[in-house]
Amino acid sequence: KNQVEQSPQSLIILEGKNCTLQCNYTVSPFSNLRWYKQDTGRGPVSLTIMTFSENTKSNGRYTATLDADTKQSSLHITASQLSDSASYICVVRGGGGFKTIFGAGTRLFVKA
Amino acid sequence: GAVVSQHPSRVICKSGTSVKIECRSLDFQATTMFWYRQFPKQSLMLMATSNEGSKATYEQGVEKDKFLINHASLTLSTLTVTSAHPEDSSFYICSALRGLAGYNEQFFGPGTRLTVL
Repeated sequence: KNQVEQSPQSLIILEGKNCTLQCNYTVSPFSNLRWYKQDTGRGPVSLTIMTFSENTKSNGRYTATLDADTKQSSLHITASQLSDSASYICVVRGGGGFKTIFGAGTRLFVKA
Repeated sequence: GAVVSQHPSRVICKSGTSVKIECRSLDFQATTMFWYRQFPKQSLMLMATSNEGSKATYEQGVEKDKFLINHASLTLSTLTVTSAHPEDSSFYICSALRGLAGYNEQFFGPGTRLTVL
């Protein structure tokens, strides 16, 4: 079954600290993996997109990694800011018919 | 990045009325658009795939007669919630598919908060 699982469900960190969010997937065949940031009451905004051949991609303080062999991805946030408080959603495109499969998201709270 | 807009951003209506939500791709043409529903603290749930000029494809469990989708142009898709009930209250998000450098990327709208009284 094509699934995307994220951990942790929620995370609280202090401003300025780093954190890493995890995404494991069982989607096959695999096309690409994206990380989105969704602020409360807003639509998701793309942070990174990676295809099979890409291991890492950065977007400012966000760095995503992909291990296609173990089917794992991580999103590392450096020097967190209060504005990083949001839900981070891992989305994998693939499977039969190349569907888009959403993870449940990780809710990040950055406190001063 | 590409811009997708939704209108209205918020709507409050009485039970039994119909509500139309518009989704527009502002700077690109989108043959395919998607409609999602999101309940509090949950992830997005795909409702239907909207293809320009043809009938929408609905996900299992989504009533096509209740959630009417029209994709009449390459930049506009509409979702009409007919005879809305309080359980239809949710956050509705659309996205548009754009082909980029060998792969398709989804760009999401800002969402529409529907409250049915």
